[in-house]
Amino acid sequence: ETGVTQTPRHLVMGMTNKKSLKCEQHLGHNAMYWYKQSAKKPLELMFVYNFKEQTENNSVPSRFSPECPNSSHLFLHLHTLQPEDSALYLCASKLRGGTEGEKLFFGSGTQLSVL
Amino acid sequence: GESVGLHLPTLSVQEGDNSIINCAYSNSASDYFIWYKQESGKGPQFIIDIRSNMDKRQGQRVTVLLNKTVKHLSLQIAATQPGDSAVYFCAENIRSGGGADGLTFGKGTHLIIQP
Repeated sequence: ETGVTQTPRHLVMGMTNKKSLKCEQHLGHNAMYWYKQSAKKPLELMFVYNFKEQTENNSVPSRFSPECPNSSHLFLHLHTLQPEDSALYLCASKLRGGTEGEKLFFGSGTQLSVL
Repeated sequence: GESVGLHLPTLSVQEGDNSIINCAYSNSASDYFIWYKQESGKGPQFIIDIRSNMDKRQGQRVTVLLNKTVKHLSLQIAATQPGDSAVYFCAENIRSGGGADGLTFGKGTHLIIQP
């Protein structure tokens, strides 16, 4: 276990549904990330939060809405998604300013299928 | 465009042999590099990292080599085992000149261990 837990592990939703992905880290980290992993493509950075403040939005469509209520929890709210949004969504965290450098710790991801 | 890339999408080696996975990067401002391993159904797991002021770093059965002259990074795995079967990603972080927070990933090499 990496100390980063994502739920649910799998999610199937229609294009008109609203759902949320959850991430929790038990590592005492202060930065959290959402990445998208599609087949045959590199991991794509979506959002970055430092100390609960969003510092990066990598041109992500507004149908993806992140929320970071505290430094241990991160959500990704989904609404009116498209089939091309089907992918593995990975949460990661790190200790900014610590001794671990730029190392990210990843959760196991949520495999999302949009029908 | 993609800043970090890999030469081969798939690499097949015999169990017990050494394997070398290569990665090319294009941004000379990158000062930190990291290798991740991703097994089926799991998120990426840290293997080894290296800063740009080093040429080589060794871990347990793994060695990372950095050639800044040709912007090339490699991961060497000694005496490969069945458990080494996975997709391996290189990633970089750019400290200077702005740019996105978080790591930029390559597409990945699928390492297959033949019995």
